[in-house]
Amino acid sequence: DAKTTQPNSMESNEEEPVHLPCNHSTISGTDYIHWYRQLPSQGPEYVIHGLTSNVNNRMASLAIAEDRKSSTLILLRATLRDAAVYYCMPGGATNKLIFGTGTLLAVQP
Amino acid sequence: DAGVIQSPRHEVTEMGQEVTLRCKPISGHDYLFWYRQTMMRGLELLIYFNNNVPIDDSGMPEDRFSAKMPNASFSTLKIQPSEPRDSAVYFCASARRGFQSWEQYFGPGTRLTVT
Repeated sequence: DAKTTQPNSMESNEEEPVHLPCNHSTISGTDYIHWYRQLPSQGPEYVIHGLTSNVNNRMASLAIAEDRKSSTLILLRATLRDAAVYYCMPGGATNKLIFGTGTLLAVQP
Repeated sequence: DAGVIQSPRHEVTEMGQEVTLRCKPISGHDYLFWYRQTMMRGLELLIYFNNNVPIDDSGMPEDRFSAKMPNASFSTLKIQPSEPRDSAVYFCASARRGFQSWEQYFGPGTRLTVT
């Protein structure tokens, strides 16, 4: 399984963009990069996934490095409701998703 | 869609008792996962099913744990006998397999306390 490295915690101000980094240097060529988040007292929630190209959806944007060894989840304008633990996970046809410790995002009003 | 449904939401039991956790996946999803979350160990995958068949149970901690999926709309996770170290939040998730990607939908979890 690919190993991921994320900062333990990050802080942001409300209405400002947030860039959450993830290193996955051992990712295999066919693994997608998945991002999930877990709000307090809730189950994890799918955010976004991508393979090589940058991806956007209503929740976030995902920027993937050209060598695919790192990615960045971008929240365009953080809100208080975005305070959560964010998990980055490679996974694909044969690999189940392994949740690491994630990044705890605090959003200040 | 109602999402993934888990019951009970909270369970308090005494050591040695049997505990059964239940999960109803999202209709049309062909994968079902059971996870356990504790402060010490984080979120761990216990077992997952595809089309009601267990595919990988390598995360099941020991023989006291068992999981079944008798049909596409129901799964159980049983602990017998329960021990205090089994106290955790247990999540069920379901997914419809994308092409080499995983978009899983999690239930609200069952908080288990074993005294």
